Amino acid sequence: QKEVEQNSGPLSVPEGAIASLNCTYSDRGSQSFFWYRQYSGKSPELIMFIYSNGDKEDGRFTAQLNKASQYVSLLIRDSQPSDSATYLCAVKGDKAAGNKLTFGGGTRVLVKP
Amino acid sequence: NAGVTQTPKFQVLKTGQSMTLQCAQDMNHNSMYWYRQDPGMGLRLIYYSASEGTTDKGEVPNGYNVSRLNKREFSLRLESAAPSQTSVYFCASRTASGSTDTQYFGPGTRLTVL
Repeated sequence: QKEVEQNSGPLSVPEGAIASLNCTYSDRGSQSFFWYRQYSGKSPELIMFIYSNGDKEDGRFTAQLNKASQYVSLLIRDSQPSDSATYLCAVKGDKAAGNKLTFGGGTRVLVKP
Repeated sequence: NAGVTQTPKFQVLKTGQSMTLQCAQDMNHNSMYWYRQDPGMGLRLIYYSASEGTTDKGEVPNGYNVSRLNKREFSLRLESAAPSQTSVYFCASRTASGSTDTQYFGPGTRLTVL
């Protein structure tokens, strides 16, 4: 069973601070890694994806991937109350696996003014 | 561009009843997916369709069937609903190229089975 694990939270951060979210995965053959944001009662939306070891930055968001240790993280800089949401980590296997995503349970983030 | 649309938004069924959840996308995507989301469990893949005319099982297919009617539409059917199928159901379609790989989700269907 391929697994993706996240701390369910809530992760409480003061406004303007850095929120750090972690995700570990069990399948070493995983190719790509995604972070989705989901507001309460809404559908998930993609924040960013990463497939190479190292860091990838997009605005206030930075994804970090370490395939050797099988973890991927998301940093949210200058956190805003509008960042309060559940963040879903997703992992994609290889093409033989049908490009399917396996999602973690999500980390709830609360940004306090 | 409506993106991914789903109907109905809410549904209450009695045990043993059947229903079909409809999904359509207007983005000309080849791949479409059905997920269910239960509290604390993230999204679990029920079925997917890599292209028109093909469907494959995901992680939790039991109790469900799907039809890829054409490139735009991908429906999910519950033949005999059970309380364990109470969940929020999301349909998604996917676009991928060298620099992008994105699944776009519909607004969801909130299903309660009594």
